[in-house]
Amino acid sequence: QVQLQESGPGQVKPSATLSLTCAVSGASISSSDWYTWVRQPPGKGLEWIGEIYLGGTTNYNSSLKSRVTISVDKSKNELSLKLTSVTAADTAVYYCGRNGDHTIDYWGQGTLVTVSS
Amino acid sequence: QSALTQPASVSGSPGQSITISCTGTSSDVGAYNYVSWYQQHPGKAPKLMIYNVNNWPSGVSNRFSGSKSGNTASLTISGLQAEDEADYYCSSFARSNTLYVFGTGTEVTVL
Repeated sequence: QVQLQESGPGQVKPSATLSLTCAVSGASISSSDWYTWVRQPPGKGLEWIGEIYLGGTTNYNSSLKSRVTISVDKSKNELSLKLTSVTAADTAVYYCGRNGDHTIDYWGQGTLVTVSS
Repeated sequence: QSALTQPASVSGSPGQSITISCTGTSSDVGAYNYVSWYQQHPGKAPKLMIYNVNNWPSGVSNRFSGSKSGNTASLTISGLQAEDEADYYCSSFARSNTLYVFGTGTEVTVL
């Protein structure tokens, strides 16, 4: 059973960089795997941020592409998300997930990040 | 890429069936059979209920079923139970720079 756990600072200052990690357990990250980041502002719907193929490809939401980087550290079985120049609009619960067949079949519990000075 | 359109809320009595619609375009829902449905209870992570329009992940009740016609996908919950009360989101693979789009979400209330 794959388990994912997001972690990172709960508060980030405006204009700073948001950095989160996602620890994967229960399975070794394989080069054939895809992983996704999704966010959900408080009281609102889900937004796809982007995905990474561990063979080396990334795809990003076009509205965030200029500010987002998703990477992986296979030695640590960890994913990471970096979002630069954050504003209050980036306040959200951030989820990592593992892709199944054109879907997200395993989700982390999520971590709330508040952008505030 | 705009969000897929879902009704804000749907309600039903225990034992009844309800259907949630998810309307997209010919660039997403209409283009691919890659529609998923997620259930989200308050304060919890989404849970995959249906993938590729009408497939069940292991462990999900067959009271949940999916279908698609044209640019609209649907999730039907049969034999509605109190534990089905949650928010439901559809998602679709999309022919655009943003590969996946989610629906606006539907709050299901069991009366």
